[in-house]
Amino acid sequence: KAGVTQTPRYLIKTRGQQVTLSCSPISGHRSVSWYQQTPGQGLQFLFEYFSETQRNKGNFPGRFSGRQFSNSRSEMNVSTLELGDSALYLCASSNPGQYEQYFGPGTRLTVT
Amino acid sequence: AQKVTQAQTEISVVEKEDVTLDCVYETRDTTYYLFWYKQPPSGELVFLIRRNSFDEQNEISGRYSWNFQKSTSSFNFTITASQVVDSAVYFCALIVTSGYSTLTFGKGTMLLVSP
Repeated sequence: KAGVTQTPRYLIKTRGQQVTLSCSPISGHRSVSWYQQTPGQGLQFLFEYFSETQRNKGNFPGRFSGRQFSNSRSEMNVSTLELGDSALYLCASSNPGQYEQYFGPGTRLTVT
Repeated sequence: AQKVTQAQTEISVVEKEDVTLDCVYETRDTTYYLFWYKQPPSGELVFLIRRNSFDEQNEISGRYSWNFQKSTSSFNFTITASQVVDSAVYFCALIVTSGYSTLTFGKGTMLLVSP
């Protein structure tokens, strides 16, 4: 099986812009979770989607949003980018009852 | 709320040394899973092992072994005869099975294995 894929791998944006990141889960996986990783805060949970519904949300401002499509692919959007949004954004997929999550290579976002 | 503590921020060893990465967790739930992930410089988190709260048997996989002790809320990871390719950041994580829980990660331990 192909692993979790994320696009783009690298992104440079300017403050105030918005960005959309994409994640394709492992075939057959219906749950997608997003995490932000920074040197200072470590790995922080953003949100989880299952069957196109957001099941869980981390403690992030409303500028961070996401969605999931019927084929389980997911996107996350960050509006009005701030310098502090520079991070590695990781997507993970899983199936209910399995609990282990399989991660993609991440999208490294740099905000200047 | 859950918490995972990896007290070792960085460990440096020479190739062929054994090294143990510590993980201590906190949860009030009785049913949970513990994980170890490896993050090489490429950035992708690689799943290494899952252990549920009812299974305290230690596990060995090649040079890797895991010691789960509920009495001390610890889930330690040992690499025997370390190799340069083991250099990475290692994360311990916890998820409870009640409700729609999410993975709680420790801060990670950076392991540097030098030749």
